[in-house]
Amino acid sequence: QVQLVQSGAEMKKPGASVKLSCKTSGYTFINYYIHWVRQAPGQGLEWMGLINPGGGSTSYAQKFQGKVTMTADTSTSTVYMEMSNLRSEDTAVYYCARDQGLAMPWLSFWGQGTRVIVSS
Amino acid sequence: DIQMTQSPSSLSASVGDRVTITCRASQGISSYLAWYQQKPGKVPKLLIHAATTLQLGVPSRFSGSGSGTEFTLTIDSLQPEDVATYYCQKYNSGPRTFGQGTKVEIK
Repeated sequence: QVQLVQSGAEMKKPGASVKLSCKTSGYTFINYYIHWVRQAPGQGLEWMGLINPGGGSTSYAQKFQGKVTMTADTSTSTVYMEMSNLRSEDTAVYYCARDQGLAMPWLSFWGQGTRVIVSS
Repeated sequence: DIQMTQSPSSLSASVGDRVTITCRASQGISSYLAWYQQKPGKVPKLLIHAATTLQLGVPSRFSGSGSGTEFTLTIDSLQPEDVATYYCQKYNSGPRTFGQGTKVEIK
């Protein structure tokens, strides 16, 4: 069965960077895009961007361009999201999610989420 | 970028009531719209894609309608387990923007 297992919670100081992982299994890794979505405490869902693990191409929401880098490791079927220059406003739960496939870009499978706390 | 606006932001209804949530796109998105349900403390779950297609396993009391710029999610006969926040999301070209969410509670 399709599984997306995310790395554990992180606590970082302002200005630091964090790299989150999303290890996938149960399907052909290169055939499905992975998206990252975040949710600040008490707030709604915010789409951050996506990566095509097949070729490594990415698309980021304008807000996250220059701040976020998504990469994929085909040898371990794992996607990474690195976020730099963390601020308190980046405190959130970060989800990875897989779409349904080519021409079916809705988010059918979600990881369990990784909590990131940014505090001095 | 296309903005997605949901209304209302919250609602309270009785068990058995019919509940309707609206999602409006600032520009036409054809039927490239999904609805998600997020129960408190849980991961979001896909309910509907292509504006009207119910995901397998989702109860038939949920339905979606609309195209272009205006969409609705309807829950016929609200149940206690439907307490959640519901989000729409566009998935045509460009950013896959979510609506701000609609919190549904039981009166």
